[in-house]
Parts: sequence; C-alpha cells; structure tokens
Amino acid sequence: SQKIEQNSEALNIQEGKTATLTCNYTNYSPAYLQWYRQDPGRGPVFLLLIRENEKEKRKERLKVTFDTTLKQSLFHITASQPADSATYLCALVFLDSGGYNKLIFGAGTRLAVHP
Amino acid sequence: DAGVTQSPTHLIKTRGQQVTLRCSPKSGHDTVSWYQQALGQGPQFIFQYYEEEERQRGNFPDRFSGHQFPNYSSELNVNALLLGDSALYLCASSRTSGGRTSTDTQYFGPGTRLTVL
Repeated sequence: SQKIEQNSEALNIQEGKTATLTCNYTNYSPAYLQWYRQDPGRGPVFLLLIRENEKEKRKERLKVTFDTTLKQSLFHITASQPADSATYLCALVFLDSGGYNKLIFGAGTRLAVHP
Repeated sequence: DAGVTQSPTHLIKTRGQQVTLRCSPKSGHDTVSWYQQALGQGPQFIFQYYEEEERQRGNFPDRFSGHQFPNYSSELNVNALLLGDSALYLCASSRTSGGRTSTDTQYFGPGTRLTVL
C-alpha cells in the first residue's frame, strides 16, 4: 500500500540546535517533494521544493535532502529558534497525464524549540 | 497582493445539514484545490477546479461537491453532514498555463473550521 510517514511524536529540541525531520514514503514515485509549515488553526505555508533529480536544497537556515533510492527526505532547521515551533508537513507532488499537479501530504511532525 | 481568502472562519452545523464554504484564490491564479484536514492529520485532497470544471477528484463521496465561478473563486458544498466531516477545510490556489499546471507550489488559505454536532 502507499504510505507517507513522518515522525508522529513531537520533536523537542533546545534553541540553537539543529532540528532534523524525516519523511519516508513507500510505493510512490513523486515528481518532486515539498515541505510546508503549519501553525495551529492556520493553513500550510510553503517552505521548500526539491525535485527528484536534486539531492539537496537550501534556503537560509533550512536544508532539504531527497533520496529517491531510500524514498526519504530529511528537513533540517539549523540554529533553531522558539519561533520555529510549528508542525512541518511533507507533501509528495505528482504530475498526472493531464499535466496537473496533485499533492499527497504526510500527517506532519510537531517541532517544539525550547529556550 | 491579496493571498488566498476563505470564509467563514468557523462554522457549526448539526448532522444532516448542508454547508457551503467559499474561497478566493491568490491574484493571478486560476486553479483552486480543496483539502480536508482532520485533527492531527495532513490535508486530504478533495478536488480541484479549473475553467469552472472539476478536473481532479480525491477519494471523497458525492456529498462533497464544488463550483468555480468566472472570477476563479470557488465554493465547496457538503450535503447530509456527518460527525466525521468535522475538520479544517483548506483552499489552495495555483496557476494553469496551456492546460498544464505552471506553478510549482500551491498557496493555501487560512481554512474554515467546520464543527458538526
């Protein structure tokens, strides 16, 4: 069966440390993968996109890796801050025969950064 | 530049009732997707509208229907509400060019929190 798995337990880290979140998937072949941030009661906010032919992508304190052999993406936040506390969602993106993109989301991992 | 807007913010209904949720896409976007997000879960794709037609649909029953207007805004209708329909309903917009999705990302609205009692 097709699955997207993110750590269901909250990740608690100390301010200044690097947070690493994992997204694993099975029986999917996505065109690319996205990471979103979601605060309670709000809609997801796009952070980063990485394509299947890219190994790593960076944006300021954020870094994403994508290993299509392992079917895994890692999302890193360096020098984490309490303001980074939120739920982080990974989403697999597929392009169907009509050229339309479709997103399949994981359940998300809640990150708590403590001062 | 206005982002994606949704109304209402919160809604309380009882079982068996019908509900209509509204979405206005980001300026320049012509494609609207709707998602249902239950508590503690990721968003689940309901359907997508482009050129006033439904062009993709997720695994949701026919009780869920939608509409897109000439100004690209959209409505989500849910009939015969069940307790399990309680969730955050998200609208996301993107742009289609030449019949194909031209924006890599979807922009989400703040959502409508629906509670069914």
